[in-house]
Amino acid sequence: NAGVTQTPKFQVLKTGQSMTLQCAQDMNHNSMYWYRQDPGMGLRLIYYSASEGTTDKGEVPNGYNVSRLNKREFSLRLESAAPSQTSVYFCATGRSSAYEQYFGPGTRLTVT
Amino acid sequence: QQQVKQSPQSLIVQKGGISIINCAYENTAFDYFPWYQQFPGKGPALLIAIRPDVSEKKEGRFTISFNKSAKQFSLHIMDSQPGDSATYFCAARMDSSYKLIFGSGTRLLVRP
Repeated sequence: NAGVTQTPKFQVLKTGQSMTLQCAQDMNHNSMYWYRQDPGMGLRLIYYSASEGTTDKGEVPNGYNVSRLNKREFSLRLESAAPSQTSVYFCATGRSSAYEQYFGPGTRLTVT
Repeated sequence: QQQVKQSPQSLIVQKGGISIINCAYENTAFDYFPWYQQFPGKGPALLIAIRPDVSEKKEGRFTISFNKSAKQFSLHIMDSQPGDSATYFCAARMDSSYKLIFGSGTRLLVRP
């Protein structure tokens, strides 16, 4: 029972490159979330998916796209990475409306 | 206003002392206030949570105090231990929504 897994753990990109961050959960939760964490800024919601087949924007969606592939998997794509996207990215899941969220271990992304 | 303001940014406490972290909000539509604990290199994990119709909730050494009229809530860690050293985030959920709004975080260091 792995809970919430994220790949990769670390990534370095050059400006303009693209990549996809992967998230998978085995908790049978309906809701999934992508956050970014920056020093002094807390956790900011990028996108979320309330259930399979739906996605919605959070606070900071610009520069990102998401895909809810199935109930287990929720990916985050950076089409053209920018230095401002250097951050730690967390995926989270929840049973329903945000009452409790379970976080993955994070992906540390550096864009040079 | 969807902000949650958290203070202090960092806190140093001696072992056995009381750690106090404060949060304030403006939006009266928030209906659930969790606290998350994050150790270095890990994702945040739910520590304790409270609803606005309760003034205090205690779980072991951790207590949330909630002041609805002042729109403030705080986390108290009694008999603080070095193992409590972590970053703590307060958060708030908009009434029955899927989104949490996080405070900026407090880095707690408990000295032996």
